[in-house]
Amino acid sequence: SQQGEEDPQALSIQEGENATMNCSYKTSINNLQWYRQNSGRGLVHLILIRSNEREKHSGRLRVTLDTSKKSSSLLITASRAADTASYFCATVPFTQGGSEKLVFGKGTKLTVNP
Amino acid sequence: DGGITQSPKYLFRKEGQNVTLSCEQNLNHDAMYWYRQDPGQGLRLIYYSQIVNDFQKGDIAEGYSVSREKKESFPLTVTSAQKNPTAFYLCASRRGPIQGIMNTEAFFGQGTRLTVV
Repeated sequence: SQQGEEDPQALSIQEGENATMNCSYKTSINNLQWYRQNSGRGLVHLILIRSNEREKHSGRLRVTLDTSKKSSSLLITASRAADTASYFCATVPFTQGGSEKLVFGKGTKLTVNP
Repeated sequence: DGGITQSPKYLFRKEGQNVTLSCEQNLNHDAMYWYRQDPGQGLRLIYYSQIVNDFQKGDIAEGYSVSREKKESFPLTVTSAQKNPTAFYLCASRRGPIQGIMNTEAFFGQGTRLTVV
């Protein structure tokens, strides 16, 4: 079963607006990661937040993590048409054996209109 | 250039045929993964490997097989037992705790689109 669930499934905004995507997960994690996928391509890593971190920034990206609610959000500020893509969260579930299983959610499809 | 390479980009399979998708990385990563993506859907984990000669089933392993004889290579075979193999297949790798490094990102190949004809 998939660990993460992104919300919303699709988001359409105007250039210059902010885009917020949410991710909920089910089990304890070591870290949570966000990825971007352009249509028909591989995924590209955006940002990683550790389980003991609450907020992280990278350029126009801001990620928050609330482990008590098992949720994360990705904020893209001042969006551009080039930000149009699908965005996925991924988690490494915490296990006693130190498994490296990396599990993805279903993604949010973001469209930024010029 | 360092990276992860999938081949072929497009693959056509006849009913009842086994096919093998290639995934090679020169990043010296211990962990490698295979995912399946259906149109408009997320990534579902098929198999993953944390070290050479070892691999684990993911969430949808039925009808697939893998091997990890070399650190650089993690081929995926789609067998005739997989009833609905048409999909986009993605391979990924990442540094793992074997190297004493935790919390690392995954690097993806460009994918193989498999179609049953």
